[in-house]
Amino acid sequence: AQSVSQHNHHVILSEAASLELGCNYSYGGTVNLFWYVQYPGQHLQLLLKYFSGDPLVKGIKGFEAEFIKSKFSFNLRKPSVQWSDTAEYFCAVKKAGTALIFGKGTTLSVSS
Amino acid sequence: NAGVTQTPKFRVLKTGQSMTLLCAQDMNHEYMYWYRQDPGMGLRLIHYSVGEGTTAKGEVPDGYNVSRLKKQNFLLGLESAAPSQTSVYFCASSYDRRNTGELFFGEGSRLTVL
Repeated sequence: AQSVSQHNHHVILSEAASLELGCNYSYGGTVNLFWYVQYPGQHLQLLLKYFSGDPLVKGIKGFEAEFIKSKFSFNLRKPSVQWSDTAEYFCAVKKAGTALIFGKGTTLSVSS
Repeated sequence: NAGVTQTPKFRVLKTGQSMTLLCAQDMNHEYMYWYRQDPGMGLRLIHYSVGEGTTAKGEVPDGYNVSRLKKQNFLLGLESAAPSQTSVYFCASSYDRRNTGELFFGEGSRLTVL
């Protein structure tokens, strides 16, 4: 079955630390890739997306993600996290003709 | 522009009761979705619709029914609620005719089944 795997369930960092959240998917062929963020008590918001072109994509709030096709990965990065980045992060993958499928999410806790 | 609006925001049911969650979007989106969010499980797709009058099953459709009688509305029904359906339900919509997967979410509806 097609799936999306997020390697880290809960990540705890201090402010200014660097962040990398892993995401792998099992789909073959062309896919669209997303990272969504859910701040405490809020709904999901789009952080960044990749459809085609440059595999390094930049999103809001200093986040970026790199698509590595050979590894079926789309890892999220931020050089220096802030307390306000505390949230749950979801990787999502969409293949043509199918609905968007989410990973189980990674909770990021940033201490000030 | 309200975006995606879900009602009700909170609801407590007893086992066996029925209820309907309403999702309304004012963005003229073709695609609409219902997800449930459970701790450690992420978001799982229940049902979705690619246009008015059409619906399709997602990953976890059992125990739920949906209807899309009007383009702007997508209803999620529970005919006989079970404790396993305690969850936070999110509605989402998508405007892109190529259905790229970029979704706009509502604020969620928290359902507790006792």
